[in-house]
Amino acid sequence: AQKVTQAQTEISVVEKEDVTLDCVYETRDTTYYLFWYKQPPSGELVFLIRRNSFDEQNEISGRYSWNFQKSTSSFNFTITASQVVDSAVYFCALSEAIDNDMRFGAGTRLTVKP
Amino acid sequence: EAQVTQNPRYLITVTGKKLTVTCSQNMNHEYMSWYRQDPGLGLRQIYYSMNVEVTDKGDVPEGYKVSRKEKRNFPLILESPSPNQTSLYFCASSLSSQPQHFGDGTRLSIL
Repeated sequence: AQKVTQAQTEISVVEKEDVTLDCVYETRDTTYYLFWYKQPPSGELVFLIRRNSFDEQNEISGRYSWNFQKSTSSFNFTITASQVVDSAVYFCALSEAIDNDMRFGAGTRLTVKP
Repeated sequence: EAQVTQNPRYLITVTGKKLTVTCSQNMNHEYMSWYRQDPGLGLRQIYYSMNVEVTDKGDVPEGYKVSRKEKRNFPLILESPSPNQTSLYFCASSLSSQPQHFGDGTRLSIL
């Protein structure tokens, strides 16, 4: 069965620091999808990115970047030059293609202080 | 506007009083699911549905029921709520393997 581990429960940084949120996953499928979601203090879940297992290219979107490494079963998320508005809980998730059943990690609470 | 709508957003009720949380999506998605979010545990799937009249248990289905009579609706039913079902609940919908669209959440308190 699939599993997602976010070992960092809470991270606190000062504005403008770079921060990396770790995500390690387990799956027996060769086809799967990895996701990151952001949950700001207002509570809604905001989709950030989806990667499929056949695309190991790293992705950059503004200050956000993602590093997908199948060799270590990791899909880490880096925020460059963090801002106070980045403060949120971030969830990594895994979906195996066969049934779309999505498993979430426990989440990492990021606090960015001014 | 594409959206997943949950109602109610907040509910305080008592043990044993049946309640239903409604979920509706306007994107014609086949796949819908319910999650509960608890501190330190992330989101755990309660039930999911691959299409009309097709539902299946997730990781934590005990104490919950669902139905999928129409494509757009996927209500979550608590026949006899208990305090351990106090949680934040999310409904989601998607096309297969696509990012899930989440509702804004329903905060349930069972006293």
